[in-house]
Amino acid sequence: DGGITQSPKYLFRKEGQNVTLSCEQNLNHDAMYWYRQDPGQGLRLIYYSQIVNDFQKGDIAEGYSVSREKKESFPLTVTSAQKNPTAFYLCASRYRGNQPQHFGDGTRLSIL
Amino acid sequence: EDQVTQSPEALRLQEGESSSLNCSYTVSGLRGLFWYRQDPGKGPEFLFTLYSAGEEKEKERLKATLTKKESFLHITAPKPEDSATYLCAVDGGGADGLTFGKGTHLIIQP
Repeated sequence: DGGITQSPKYLFRKEGQNVTLSCEQNLNHDAMYWYRQDPGQGLRLIYYSQIVNDFQKGDIAEGYSVSREKKESFPLTVTSAQKNPTAFYLCASRYRGNQPQHFGDGTRLSIL
Repeated sequence: EDQVTQSPEALRLQEGESSSLNCSYTVSGLRGLFWYRQDPGKGPEFLFTLYSAGEEKEKERLKATLTKKESFLHITAPKPEDSATYLCAVDGGGADGLTFGKGTHLIIQP
């Protein structure tokens, strides 16, 4: 079945540590996105990528980094510079244009 | 800047009690309006896309409608399994994709 796979489902970060969240899609979608979801807030865009080897900052990119070396993969690194990383992280993709985005099942990141 | 406001923030209904959720939007050029359902601890699940005013889409007990300023998600004779958070999003044509509302948390009591 085609879909978006995020891993791990739960992740814990120690002080000063960088952690990487995985996102893989087999939908042959061109664009991929990372969102952060906090209680009582809407989805906020961290980074997005329209094509391989190119990505752009979203509204809250500080403390995060990404790469897009393959069409299928868009990993997100939460660096130690992100002081409030506890949140639910969602990866999405869409084919192109004004098509809907489709989401993975998220990674919940907590601080140890 | 695109904006999306959803109301109410939370809604509690009895099983079988029909109602509507509202999504008001401000966008310079609407390329699409999207409804999603999100269950606790899961990613949003795509429900509908609406592209132009007057358009309607239906799926089981759900019906989405669109005007030039807002969209409604009508829920007819809901069941407890319809309990979820419903998200609305707009595509204003920017390269960064969708702008989301904060959602309506719907609870259907048996």
